[in-house]
Amino acid sequence: NAGVTQTPKFQVLKTGQSMTLQCAQDMNHEYMSWYRQDPGMGLRLIHYSVGAGITDQGEVPNGYNVSRSTTEDFPLRLLSAAPSQTSVYFCASSYTLAGSNEKLFFGSGTQLSVL
Amino acid sequence: DQQVKQNSPSLSVQEGRISILNCDYTNSMFDYFLWYKKYPAEGPTFLISISSIKDKNEDGRFTVFLNKSAKHLSLHIVPSQPGDSAVYFCAASRSYNTDKLIFGTGTRLQVFP
Repeated sequence: NAGVTQTPKFQVLKTGQSMTLQCAQDMNHEYMSWYRQDPGMGLRLIHYSVGAGITDQGEVPNGYNVSRSTTEDFPLRLLSAAPSQTSVYFCASSYTLAGSNEKLFFGSGTQLSVL
Repeated sequence: DQQVKQNSPSLSVQEGRISILNCDYTNSMFDYFLWYKKYPAEGPTFLISISSIKDKNEDGRFTVFLNKSAKHLSLHIVPSQPGDSAVYFCAASRSYNTDKLIFGTGTRLQVFP
């Protein structure tokens, strides 16, 4: 049982490049989400999904796209990377949206640098 | 506007002593509070929580205290162990829904022998 798997662990991009951060979970969780962690800012919610085909915006969605075609996968796309997107990105999942704060499982993170 | 604040970026405590990590919040609508622990190169993991109807919750060596009038909560670790060395995030929510979870900036705890 792998839990929440994120790839890659590290990535360096040039401004304007695009890339996709991958996230997969094998726990049959309905709820999946993406956070970014910045110094002095804590973790902030980017996008989330309550099930396949359903996504919604979090606190800081600009510059990011998501889709949820399967229960297992929730990729995060940067269409045109900017230096302000340099951050550590965490994917997380839980059984459901409601009452799940304690059962939020995080991946190990992707450290992204945009030059 | 940081709704959940952890004003101490770091804390150093000797093994066996008490560690006290503090967290302040500004939104009086928050009614559920959690602490997450994060080791380097790993994602955060849930540690302990408390709802606004309580003022204390214990789980082994970990106790969380909530002072609603002061909008303040604290995490006590007694006794502290070297394995407790990690970054601790305080988080608060206006509901039990995960999408409403607001995280603090984190406090790095170092427990030395």
